Amino acid sequence: DAKTTQPNSMESNEEEPVHLPCNHSTISGTDYIHWYRQLPSQGPEYVIHGLTSNVNNRMASLAIAEDRKSSTLILHRATLRDAAVYYCILAGSGGGADGLTFGKGTHLIIQP
Amino acid sequence: NAGVTQTPKFRILKIGQSMTLQCTQDMNHNYMYWYRQDPGMGLKLIYYSVGAGITDKGEVPNGYNVSRSTTEDFPLRLELAAPSQTSVYFCASRRGQNYEQYFGPGTRLTVT
Repeated sequence: DAKTTQPNSMESNEEEPVHLPCNHSTISGTDYIHWYRQLPSQGPEYVIHGLTSNVNNRMASLAIAEDRKSSTLILHRATLRDAAVYYCILAGSGGGADGLTFGKGTHLIIQP
Repeated sequence: NAGVTQTPKFRILKIGQSMTLQCTQDMNHNYMYWYRQDPGMGLKLIYYSVGAGITDKGEVPNGYNVSRSTTEDFPLRLELAAPSQTSVYFCASRRGQNYEQYFGPGTRLTVT
């Protein structure tokens, strides 16, 4: 799987939007962009994934650059519960059938 | 649905002892995974299975063994525990390719 680059940490205020960036300049045409998050002392949980078009679900939005070399996870209105480590992961067209490759992720801090 | 359950939650082992980490999912998922997470790091894949009777090695399989006799269960066996195996172990499952992974709450293992 291709590598991703994320900031080590980011800070935001409660009830404000949060934009979490991810660079993946070596992404291949069949790689999906996945986002997972890990709350303190819990297992990771799925957030969202996409291939080329922007995606929305009840948790977040995923904005994918036209050249697909970067993407941004958008939390529209952060709450204290959104404080977590966020992982941006690339997986092949098989959806990472042989598992996902986790980096260190971005530690998101939410200030009340 | 209980989702993915793991037992035990915590365990302390002495060097050279053996143990089995249990993982069960009630979602009838074909794909199951074992990851380990060392402090401050992302998850690393130990073993995975794409169906009952089929298992394969991940990135860090040394010192571990798995079996998959049923769809629901995917136990991880540690033989001759070593301090380097001190970690948090997560089990995960997914319905198939291009579906999200569901993670269990983890087992915190200390080997002294």
